[in-house]
Amino acid sequence: NAGVTQTPKFQVLKTGQSMTLQCAQDMNHEYMSWYRQDPGMGLRLIHYSVGAGITDQGEVPNGYNVSRSTTEDFPLRLLSAAPSQTSVYFCASSLQGHEQYFGPGTRLTVT
Amino acid sequence: GIQVEQSPPDLILQEGANSTLRCNFSDSVNNLQWFHQNPWGQLINLFYIPSGTKQNGRLSATTVATERYSLLYISSSQTTDSGVYFCAVANAGNNRKLIWGLGTSLAVNP
Repeated sequence: NAGVTQTPKFQVLKTGQSMTLQCAQDMNHEYMSWYRQDPGMGLRLIHYSVGAGITDQGEVPNGYNVSRSTTEDFPLRLLSAAPSQTSVYFCASSLQGHEQYFGPGTRLTVT
Repeated sequence: GIQVEQSPPDLILQEGANSTLRCNFSDSVNNLQWFHQNPWGQLINLFYIPSGTKQNGRLSATTVATERYSLLYISSSQTTDSGVYFCAVANAGNNRKLIWGLGTSLAVNP
């Protein structure tokens, strides 16, 4: 099993550009989530999904969109990047909300 | 919403020492997890422990849900234990919506 994979590992965007962060898991987990981590802070939940076709907002959803068309994939879209979205983004998955497994992260810089 | 406080914020140990990390939370939970973030940024799940005690090698954890705290014990620490340890909790309203503490940063010196 590859576990949870994320692409890209690094990305630099200009203010106003859009992009999609990819996340995939091959463990047949129904629950997937996106977090952001800023320096000196814990993780903050952006969006999550409890199954294909079902998504919900976390603590900091503004500026981000998600969709879940398959069990395996959960992409995160930034429609118009802002410097405040400079962060490290982590995707995670779990079975029934128990142990969460994390991808390696995407380091995003918005200039 | 639920608040999570971890202590101490920073810890420096000599290799071989033992340590106890604490996580306090402000409301009843039915989901509590401990994670280790290594110096390269990778997050690893250590324990899913909403109550009771678990052990995995040199690490063990205890959650006393009625008193709203959890403890992570590291015995015979090694340099590879360095990194940040996070506690994350969720309550019965949505046990998948984890709220994270700010972490304990651990440095183990050889």
